[in-house]
Amino acid sequence: NAGVTQTPKFQVLKTGQSMTLQCAQDMNHEYMSWYRQDPGMGLRLIHYSVGAGITDQGEVPNGYNVSRSTTEDFPLRLLSAAPSQTSVYFCASSYPRDSPNTGELFFGEGSRLTVL
Amino acid sequence: RKEVEQDPGPFNVPEGATVAFNCTYSNSASQSFFWYRQDCRKEPKLLMSVYSSGNEDGRFTAQLNRASQYISLLIRDSKLSDSATYLCVVTNFVFGPGTRLSVLP
Repeated sequence: NAGVTQTPKFQVLKTGQSMTLQCAQDMNHEYMSWYRQDPGMGLRLIHYSVGAGITDQGEVPNGYNVSRSTTEDFPLRLLSAAPSQTSVYFCASSYPRDSPNTGELFFGEGSRLTVL
Repeated sequence: RKEVEQDPGPFNVPEGATVAFNCTYSNSASQSFFWYRQDCRKEPKLLMSVYSSGNEDGRFTAQLNRASQYISLLIRDSKLSDSATYLCVVTNFVFGPGTRLSVLP
């Protein structure tokens, strides 16, 4: 049981380049989300999904796209990278909201992105 | 006002000390509350849920005050291994900015 797997762990991009951060979970969780973490800012929600085919915006969605074609995968796409997107990105998953286990987020190990 | 706010810290305490963190939330309809722990450059992990009646897990005690809209985390007999950032999380997975704790020998 791998849990939540993120790739890549490190990435350096040039301004304007595009890339996709991959996230996969093998726990059959319906809820998946992407956060970014910047110094002193805590974790800010970018996008989330409550099931395959359903996505919604979080607090800081601009510059990012997501899709959820399967329960397992939730990739995050940077369309045209900017230095302001330099951050640590975490993918997380959880049980459905009406489950007794609601509230425990299982995180990937993070992806450290630098945009030059 | 931010949805979830925490003591800014950092807290530097000697080993064996008792330390408490507070977290305030603005949405009075919030139903779920949690404390997560994050070690340096690692992913956050659930420390404990916070129940209405308060709950204890070993040296850790969590309390909820709905009237004043805050939750607290008390750590007794601090260990060096408790050094981390403690994140408050409210309904719909909204994170506070975190409070950093350093336990000193």
